[in-house]
Amino acid sequence: DGGITQSPKYLFRKEGQNVTLSCEQNLNHDAMYWYRQDPGQGLRLIYYSQIVNDFQKGDIAEGYSVSREKKESFPLTVTSAQKNPTAFYLCASSMGQTYTGELFFGEGSRLTVL
Amino acid sequence: AQSVTQLDSHVSVSEGTPVLLRCNYSSSYSPSLFWYVQHPNKGLQLLLKYTSAATLVKGINGFEAEFKKSETSFHLTKPSAHMSDAAEYFCVVISYGGATNKLIFGTGTLLAVQP
Repeated sequence: DGGITQSPKYLFRKEGQNVTLSCEQNLNHDAMYWYRQDPGQGLRLIYYSQIVNDFQKGDIAEGYSVSREKKESFPLTVTSAQKNPTAFYLCASSMGQTYTGELFFGEGSRLTVL
Repeated sequence: AQSVTQLDSHVSVSEGTPVLLRCNYSSSYSPSLFWYVQHPNKGLQLLLKYTSAATLVKGINGFEAEFKKSETSFHLTKPSAHMSDAAEYFCVVISYGGATNKLIFGTGTLLAVQP
């Protein structure tokens, strides 16, 4: 079955550590996105990539980094520079390079900083 | 600038009664609007979309939404709630312009369904 796989589902991190969240899709979608979700705030865009080897900052990119070396993979690194990293992180993809509003989401990764 | 406002953060209904989740939008042009659903600790799933065709849009699982330009609203309804409808619902608008378009998410409405 086609879809988006995020791992790990739950992750605990000590302050000062970098962590990388994996996102893989087998939908052959061009565009991929990372969102952060906090209670009562909806979703906020961290980074997006419309094509391999290219990505752009979203609204809250500070303290995060990404890479897009393969079409199917878009990992997110939460660095120690991110001041409040505890959140639910969602990866999504869409068929074309332009936002049509139709996103397919993974099941998320919940990061807790101890 | 485009934005959406979900008027209720929590809605509680009894199983078998109608559901109404309210969303108002702000847009300087004809908007593209969406409703997404998120079950606990899961990703979001597209329920339905409005892209300037019919003003009454039907989605999955018996949900529908009506675009009302005069009221700048895009409320989500379902005639009869089921226990499996308990989830969080997000109203979304596309913001066009700049280097790329982007989605603007509302803050969500948590729907509880009582037996």
